[in-house]
Amino acid sequence: GAVVSQHPSWVICKSGTSVKIECRSLDFQATTMFWYRQFPKQSLMLMATSNEGSKATYEQGVEKDKFLINHASLTLSTLTVTSAHPEDSSFYICSAQPPLTGGYEQYFGPGTRLTVT
Amino acid sequence: KNQVEQSPQSLIILEGKNCTLQCNYTVSPFSNLRWYKQDTGRGPVSLTIMTFSENTKSNGRYTATLDADTKQSSLHITASQLSDSASYICVVSSRRAGNNRKLIWGLGTSLAVNP
Repeated sequence: GAVVSQHPSWVICKSGTSVKIECRSLDFQATTMFWYRQFPKQSLMLMATSNEGSKATYEQGVEKDKFLINHASLTLSTLTVTSAHPEDSSFYICSAQPPLTGGYEQYFGPGTRLTVT
Repeated sequence: KNQVEQSPQSLIILEGKNCTLQCNYTVSPFSNLRWYKQDTGRGPVSLTIMTFSENTKSNGRYTATLDADTKQSSLHITASQLSDSASYICVVSSRRAGNNRKLIWGLGTSLAVNP
């Protein structure tokens, strides 16, 4: 149980285009999902917290107009990188938090490798 | 400043040997401490989660310890296997306003198990 999937697993796009990444909780409903970014040899960095049916909360320094997050259902959250630039190339990881766990548990997706050329 | 520091940065051991990874933290208020295993190009997988009152917790060949007084934790891996090669990340959860939690991530220890 507690499986989180991401699609695509990797994507290459041209500078200036937009890319959408999906995060799904396959066997549980997630009221809260998190989006992280990880650069090589660095820790995961939290980008935003998304709650189903409401606007995402972005961490300081993360541009909300550039990284659009939609959490339209209890099993799906999407991250859209708009007008991507090479510096947006990174490993994007989502995690999903089951309800009624008091924030105790988070299950991570396998990640999406984004390369912007 | 909330920080999580791990040592060593990298480690190479032979298959079948044991090893211990260290984690020191300065996080307040403390909620819990987690150890994750992250294979290259994959998302983290939880190994253990310990609250303030727990001193030790095991998950198969992984045993984590927590000393909340000295703010130190360790992860001991016994009888290492080639599949243990990964990055091991110490993460401390801090409670924020509204009962939300913020995860403070260490940089990880890169473990290579050689045959």
